[in-house]
Amino acid sequence: DTAVSQTPKYLVTQMGNDKSIKCEQNLGHDTMYWYKQDSKKFLKIMFSYNNKELIINETVPNRFSPKSPDKAHLNLHINSLELGDSAVYFCASRYSGGATGELFFGEGSRLTVL
Amino acid sequence: QQQVKQSPQSLIVQKGGISIINCAYENTAFDYFPWYQQFPGKGPALLIAIRPDVSEKKEGRFTISFNKSAKQFSLHIMDSQPGDSATYFCAAETGTASKLTFGTGTRLQVTL
Repeated sequence: DTAVSQTPKYLVTQMGNDKSIKCEQNLGHDTMYWYKQDSKKFLKIMFSYNNKELIINETVPNRFSPKSPDKAHLNLHINSLELGDSAVYFCASRYSGGATGELFFGEGSRLTVL
Repeated sequence: QQQVKQSPQSLIVQKGGISIINCAYENTAFDYFPWYQQFPGKGPALLIAIRPDVSEKKEGRFTISFNKSAKQFSLHIMDSQPGDSATYFCAAETGTASKLTFGTGTRLQVTL
């Protein structure tokens, strides 16, 4: 069974469109993240939720809106897509108990904006 | 502001050789330093991690060396194999931040 699953794996869309990426984890973790990986492979945190509560909101355009309906799910909605939004978006999760813990990543959703 | 600086950007090593990737950090509050490995088309996965109370941690062919006074840590891959070819990320975190800050990544290629 996949621990952190993201859908869709690939999105190709036009500028100005709206798109969503869904993420689900079956590890029983209480904290979930969205990371953006650009063409140079740089991994940048975007958002984090702990038990459905937003705890990290990095400097991200407000066209990006995360939603966590429950602690096993974290979705990302992007409005008015721009060329610069093209990237691979990774969902990740971990258990927050203890100071730090292993981060489990999904396989990524590659977004291409034309 | 890049809080974790990683070098080199890319590395080519012959099979059986030693691969060394270096990272430097600025925030002295960081107290957890993991390394993640990412294969093409996959998400990063934890490889090995260290806390600053030890200067070295070894797991199989992978070793982290940590120098707290210099604020540097490095990953050594002994007897490098073609299957080690991947992108490696160092990272750092404070216990209270709940936010892992990644280095810029090193693309390792191990040749036959």
